[in-house]
Amino acid sequence: NAGVTQTPKFQVLKTGQSMTLQCAQDMNHEYMSWYRQDPGMGLRLIHYSVGAGITDQGEVPNGYNVSRSTTEDFPLRLLSAAPSQTSVYFCASARGGANLNTEAFFGQGTRLTVV
Amino acid sequence: AQTVTQSQPEMSVQEAETVTLSCTYDTSESNYYLFWYKQPPSRQMILVIRQEAYKQQNATENRFSVNFQKAAKSFSLKISDSQLGDTAMYFCAFMKPPSGQNFVFGPGTRLSVLP
Repeated sequence: NAGVTQTPKFQVLKTGQSMTLQCAQDMNHEYMSWYRQDPGMGLRLIHYSVGAGITDQGEVPNGYNVSRSTTEDFPLRLLSAAPSQTSVYFCASARGGANLNTEAFFGQGTRLTVV
Repeated sequence: AQTVTQSQPEMSVQEAETVTLSCTYDTSESNYYLFWYKQPPSRQMILVIRQEAYKQQNATENRFSVNFQKAAKSFSLKISDSQLGDTAMYFCAFMKPPSGQNFVFGPGTRLSVLP
């Protein structure tokens, strides 16, 4: 059981480059989300999705795009990377639905450096 | 908006001793969930313990227990018989239905268990 898989684990980008962080889960979870982790700030929600075809913004959405064409995949796109986007990115999934008494599963994270 | 505060950026404890990590939060909601997550150097986010706000009984998981004071909006984590493997970053997190599984995280407390 792979759980939540993020790729790549490490990435260095130049300012202005674009890239996609991949996230896939094999648990048939409805809910998926992206967080960024910065020192002294904990994890902050970027975007989330409650099901295929449905996405919404979190606390810090600027500079990021998402789409959810399948239940399994929830990619995060940086269209024009900036040094302020240097961070560790986490994808998470959960069963969702009306019952919130379920556990969220996190990927291993992607460390992104923008130079 | 909900906020989560962890006032202890770093703590240390001797192996086999007990340590308490503090967390306070701000919300006007009456129904919500609180969590403690552990992040070891591997970066993996690991659920330690969960508390439902409508339950007055404090949650316990083996050596980990919480002191949930709803009126004071306080949610501290007690680790008994500390082990070297407990060395990690610990995040307090808040989740409010019906926001799906969106977490609001605190800034974290770095705990070092000393031999």
